[in-house]
Amino acid sequence: NAGVTQTPKFQVLKTGQSMTLQCAQDMNHNSMYWYRQDPGMGLRLIYYSASEGTTDKGEVPNGYNVSRLNKREFSLRLESAAPSQTSVYFCASSEVYGGERNEQFFGPGTRLTVL
Amino acid sequence: AQTVTQSQPEMSVQEAETVTLSCTYDTSESDYYLFWYKQPPSRQMILVIRQEAYKQQNATENRFSVNFQKAAKSFSLKISDSQLGDAAMYFCAYEAAGNKLTFGGGTRVLVKP
Repeated sequence: NAGVTQTPKFQVLKTGQSMTLQCAQDMNHNSMYWYRQDPGMGLRLIYYSASEGTTDKGEVPNGYNVSRLNKREFSLRLESAAPSQTSVYFCASSEVYGGERNEQFFGPGTRLTVL
Repeated sequence: AQTVTQSQPEMSVQEAETVTLSCTYDTSESDYYLFWYKQPPSRQMILVIRQEAYKQQNATENRFSVNFQKAAKSFSLKISDSQLGDAAMYFCAYEAAGNKLTFGGGTRVLVKP
């Protein structure tokens, strides 16, 4: 049981390059999330997916797109990277059981630097 | 929009002593959840404790406990018998309908041996 996995762990891009961050979970959770964490700050929600086939914007969606490929996988794409997108990116997943919202389980993060 | 504020950028505690971290939040909702997450240098986000707003009883998890004051919109974390492994960033987080977390800016906890 790996929980939430993310690839890659580190990435350096040049301004204008594109890339996709991959996330997968093996806990059969319906909801998945992408956050970014800038230095000295808390996490901010970029996009989330409440269930397979649905996605919605979070607090800071500009410059990003997402794809909920299936129940397990949720990818984040930067079409044209900018230095302001230098950050640590976290994927998370969660489930609602019997009406009770439960904790979000986080991946190990991807450190992205845009030069 | 909901906001979460952690007013202490850094707290220092002696090993075996107690430290309390502050968190306040702003919401118009009546049904929500509050969490404390720990982030060690490894960057991994680890749930420490959670509190359902409809429960009056304060949550406890071993050496960790909260003081939840719903009317004051306050949610502090107490770490008792502090250990070296408690050194980390601690984030307060709020979750209402839609399962979306809003995080505070974090408090760094230093534990002195």
